[in-house]
Amino acid sequence: GAGVSQSPSNKVTEKGKDVELRCDPISGHTALYWYRQSLGQGLEFLIYFQGNSAPDKSGLPSDRFSAERTGGSVSTLTIQRTQQEDSAVYLCASSLATGSGNTIYFGEGSWLTVV
Amino acid sequence: AQSVAQPEDQVNVAEGNPLTVKCTYSVSGNPYLFWYVQYPNRGLQFLLKYITGDNLVKGSYGFEAEFNKSQTSFHLKKPSALVSDSALYFCAVNRGSTLGRLYFGRGTQLTVWP
Repeated sequence: GAGVSQSPSNKVTEKGKDVELRCDPISGHTALYWYRQSLGQGLEFLIYFQGNSAPDKSGLPSDRFSAERTGGSVSTLTIQRTQQEDSAVYLCASSLATGSGNTIYFGEGSWLTVV
Repeated sequence: AQSVAQPEDQVNVAEGNPLTVKCTYSVSGNPYLFWYVQYPNRGLQFLLKYITGDNLVKGSYGFEAEFNKSQTSFHLKKPSALVSDSALYFCAVNRGSTLGRLYFGRGTQLTVWP
């Protein structure tokens, strides 16, 4: 597709279960980002990938969160043993490169609710 | 440290009137500044960015923003607001040391009433 694609668009899970969120970036974009948006917290950076370089994981809130990017394209964000405070919108984004000034394009988000 | 401030949580304006959504930034060196808009239950859409050159940047949907280095501001403006402009607006900043990562303000909810 033309834009960043995320799935699922909505996910309701029970506390303690693991979830996987998928992101398919814009074709040709080498940089991929995950952000989290929750009420009262604004937009929180989680992780980014650039090509074959080691990802910047500095924003991951705990070791229950992990992400991988296979083949330099699709990425999966995994949350283990979900907690209620993990409820948020998880936004994936991509850009041509991580050079400053490159426009970052966002997907529609995956809405996660932990009950 | 890099940061962005959006001093107003909400801005209300009548349709047809000019609108301004404020943004100030704090970053060492030359900033790269962005505006995004988020409609209800949607992702963020890119509006415009300032990298270098002309201080007045024009973007999508008739929006523009003015970079003011002395005031460290990058306010979003539109000469004539539409009801359909009602949305959540985010300002963001980036600088080379953190490559493409964007630092976002907390957002400003714009409401345009008929």
